[in-house]
Amino acid sequence: QVQLVQSGAEVKRPGSSVKVSCKASGGTLNNYAISWVRQAPGQGLEWMGGIIPISAPPNYAQKFQGRVTMTADGSTSTAYMEVSSLTSEDTAVYYCARSPPPYYYGMDVWGQGTTVIVS
Amino acid sequence: QLTQSPSSLSASVGDRVTITCRASQGISHSLAWYQQKPGKAPKLLIYAASTLQSGVPSRFSGSGSGADFTLTISSLQPEDFVIYYCQQLFSYPWTFGQGTKVEIK
Repeated sequence: QVQLVQSGAEVKRPGSSVKVSCKASGGTLNNYAISWVRQAPGQGLEWMGGIIPISAPPNYAQKFQGRVTMTADGSTSTAYMEVSSLTSEDTAVYYCARSPPPYYYGMDVWGQGTTVIVS
Repeated sequence: QLTQSPSSLSASVGDRVTITCRASQGISHSLAWYQQKPGKAPKLLIYAASTLQSGVPSRFSGSGSGADFTLTISSLQPEDFVIYYCQQLFSYPWTFGQGTKVEIK
């Protein structure tokens, strides 16, 4: 059974950047889509964007255009998301999630989440 | 844009509950439902509006197409008192509803 294993928690200063990794353990990401979803403390889920499938250019939610970079390496089954110019409003849990084709079937495997604190 | 309602509801073990999700435009059947327990990642319950994800109990069901969708829990169990989200995957961005918290009455 594939698991998505994310990198560990981060504490960052305002104005800095953070890069989170997401590695597929026990499987591959080839032909799958990878989305990044964040959840601020006590808030709902927010889709930030995704690579759909991982061989395609990323698709970003407008709110994150220009400040977020998503990449994926099929050879290592690892996806990455970098957020720059961090502010306190970026304090959240960041999740990666996989969508099998056809991609509108939803996200069936999720990472454990990476807590990013901006302070 | 997805509008999920109610934002919270109170119910008892064994009750039947329904959560609705309305899209601002037609999204065919490109809708998924998730359950999220405290401190955990969301879990896919229903995809393509009405297909039960493998391993999910049959008390969960989904229906709808176009712009109006529902998630029904036929008989609430103690572990079901958590938060539920809908998500549209018809067009980018793949937006989520605001969430529905199911609480014990």
